[in-house]
Amino acid sequence: DTGVSQDPRHKITKRGQNVTFRCDPISEHNRLYWYRQTLGQGPEFLTYFQNEAQLEKSRLLSDRFSAERPKGSFSTLEIQRTEQGDSAMYLCASSELAGETQYFGPGTRLLVL
Amino acid sequence: GNSVTQMEGPVTLSEEAFLTINCTYTATGYPSLFWYVQYPGEGLQLLLKATKADDKGSNKGFEATYRKETTSFHLEKGSVQVSDSAVYFCALSDPTGANSKLTFGKGITLSVRP
Repeated sequence: DTGVSQDPRHKITKRGQNVTFRCDPISEHNRLYWYRQTLGQGPEFLTYFQNEAQLEKSRLLSDRFSAERPKGSFSTLEIQRTEQGDSAMYLCASSELAGETQYFGPGTRLLVL
Repeated sequence: GNSVTQMEGPVTLSEEAFLTINCTYTATGYPSLFWYVQYPGEGLQLLLKATKADDKGSNKGFEATYRKETTSFHLEKGSVQVSDSAVYFCALSDPTGANSKLTFGKGITLSVRP
């Protein structure tokens, strides 16, 4: 078990471009979470999946954001028409069951120029 | 809504000093409480947790006790090491239990000098 992995680790893009991040959770973990962390702040919840079903989205997740987990394994987070305010660290976490410990990946750091 | 408040940082200590990092929370119901640590260049790691009132979580010499009466979960260590230098986050899980999302404090940077 190699833990939660995320790809890429860093992404620099120009305003208006689309970006996609990938998260591979710990195998057999049913729950997958996305969080966003800005400088000097703690992570903030964006959305989560139970297997392939996306069950909740935060109000932080504007219409430009979309997340998928098509086969209940890896997940992708896409940001369309990026804005400078999207610059942040995007964190993925997984857990085996509801209420169990969440294990975090190393994050994808996004910089929008 | 749920919230977590951590003491302002950063904190700088000498090796072997006693550490206390304050954390208080606001939540309806009975959340689980966590301390996560982020070492330089690494992802968030669970340090310890407590799931009900008066529980004490402990790991790597760190301890925190779930105090329902003061809605607190302060982190302590009797003798810090240089290797404890990191950012520490206090967090709670949604007490309604439906999604178990975590609500984090702002984090505090600890630097331990030799």
